[in-house]
Amino acid sequence: SQELEQSPQSLIVQEGKNLTINCTSSKTLYGLYWYKQKYGEGLIFLMMLQKGGEEKSHEKITAKLDEKKQQSSLHITASQPSHAGIYLCGADIGGTSYGKLTFGQGTILTVHP
Amino acid sequence: DAGVIQSPRHEVTEMGQEVTLRCKPISGHDYLFWYRQTMMRGLELLIYFNNNVPIDDSGMPEDRFSAKMPNASFSTLKIQPSEPRDSAVYFCASSSQGVPGLEQFFGPGTRLTVL
Repeated sequence: SQELEQSPQSLIVQEGKNLTINCTSSKTLYGLYWYKQKYGEGLIFLMMLQKGGEEKSHEKITAKLDEKKQQSSLHITASQPSHAGIYLCGADIGGTSYGKLTFGQGTILTVHP
Repeated sequence: DAGVIQSPRHEVTEMGQEVTLRCKPISGHDYLFWYRQTMMRGLELLIYFNNNVPIDDSGMPEDRFSAKMPNASFSTLKIQPSEPRDSAVYFCASSSQGVPGLEQFFGPGTRLTVL
């Protein structure tokens, strides 16, 4: 089983709709990273959460960390076609190695105009 | 800054051949990571270096895989001999200090196809 589970695996929304992607860890989180990937390209860093209850926003994307639930959520408000891509969460699980990230399987987001 | 540079971008080879993937990290970054991405297994960390020294290679699938970092500006991932199941996109990433809170910068990846 995956140490980081993302849900849903894929999501199709109409432009303008809000959406949420979840990332749940089976182990203690020592830093949770959100990345976006477009097909055939590398990963683009979105934001990083480190403390329980922390919330960060970048343009229309907001991420939160629930340390007790070992879970993070990524929320997109008023989605646009430019938001389409694969969203991956990565985490330092266990805190045993600086820089060593485990990634979820990714959520494929499609936004229809 | 040019970002993390990887070469080649695409590689098609035949089973049994040696494959060498190359990476140039961002100047000044002291951590370098090699990842492999497949549909089945997602994004997996293969190995990472700190100050050119391999720190954790527990993700390297088997002895056919080897990675080197001869200096701070260059790293290679070699597969010898290659097999069809090695087909994947291989990413290189670099970061500064590697402590939590600092992002990893990813290269564009090398798409490897082993026939």
